[in-house]
Amino acid sequence: SQTIHQWPATLVQPVGSPLSLECTVEGTSNPNLYWYRQAAGRGLQLLFYSVGIGQISSEVPQNLSASRPQDRQFILSSKKLLLSDSGFYLCAWSVPRLAGGPDTQYFGPGTRLTVL
Amino acid sequence: EDQVTQSPEALRLQEGESSSLNCSYTVSGLRGLFWYRQDPGKGPEFLFTLYSAGEEKEKERLKATLTKKESFLHITAPKPEDSATYLCAVQAPDSGYALNFGKGTSLLVTP
Repeated sequence: SQTIHQWPATLVQPVGSPLSLECTVEGTSNPNLYWYRQAAGRGLQLLFYSVGIGQISSEVPQNLSASRPQDRQFILSSKKLLLSDSGFYLCAWSVPRLAGGPDTQYFGPGTRLTVL
Repeated sequence: EDQVTQSPEALRLQEGESSSLNCSYTVSGLRGLFWYRQDPGKGPEFLFTLYSAGEEKEKERLKATLTKKESFLHITAPKPEDSATYLCAVQAPDSGYALNFGKGTSLLVTP
C-alpha cells in the first residue's frame, strides 16, 4: 500500500529565515505530487504540483519554491520566510489520471509552520 | 469563477441521529467531486470520488451522492468517532490539477 510522509511535523521559524519541508511517497512509482497550504479559516490552496522529476508548476505567485529531485520526493523551500507564510502545509500524491478523468489526491499528515 | 460552498458550517448531532451535509458547486464542467474527512491537526483523509450526476458511493455509515449542482454526504446513525471536519472539493477541466476546496463542515457527534 502507498504511504506518504512529511517532516518536520511542526516548525517555528523567525521571519527572514530559510525553509525546507520534505515529502516522500512510498509504494507507488511516477506519482503526481502536490503542495497545498491550509490557512486558518480558509480552504486548502494548491501551491505547486509536479508530474515528474524536475517538472514543477506554480499555481500562485509567492516567495516559496518547490523541487522534485527524485521520483517520490518533493521539497518546499523558501529563502526568506514572511509572517504570511504561517500555515499548515500538506503534501499530496495521485496516480497520473486518464485524459478527462478525476484526479484523486491523497494527503500526508502535514507540517504546521509558525513564522514569528 | 468556480465556487464550492459547504453547509452547514457546523453541525451537532446526538449519537444515532442521521443527517446530511451539503456541498454546492459552480464549475464549468466537472472532472470530479471529492469528499475528505479531516481530524484536528491532521491531513485530510480521502473518502469518496464522484464523477457523474446520479452516482452514489458508500462506506460504513457514510453515503455520498452527486447531482449536477450539489453533492450530499449522508451520515447514518453517527457515532462519536465520526466527529471531524468534512471537506468537499471539485476539479474542473480548466483548473488543471488543482482541487477547489470548500471551507468544510465541522461535525460533532455527542454520546
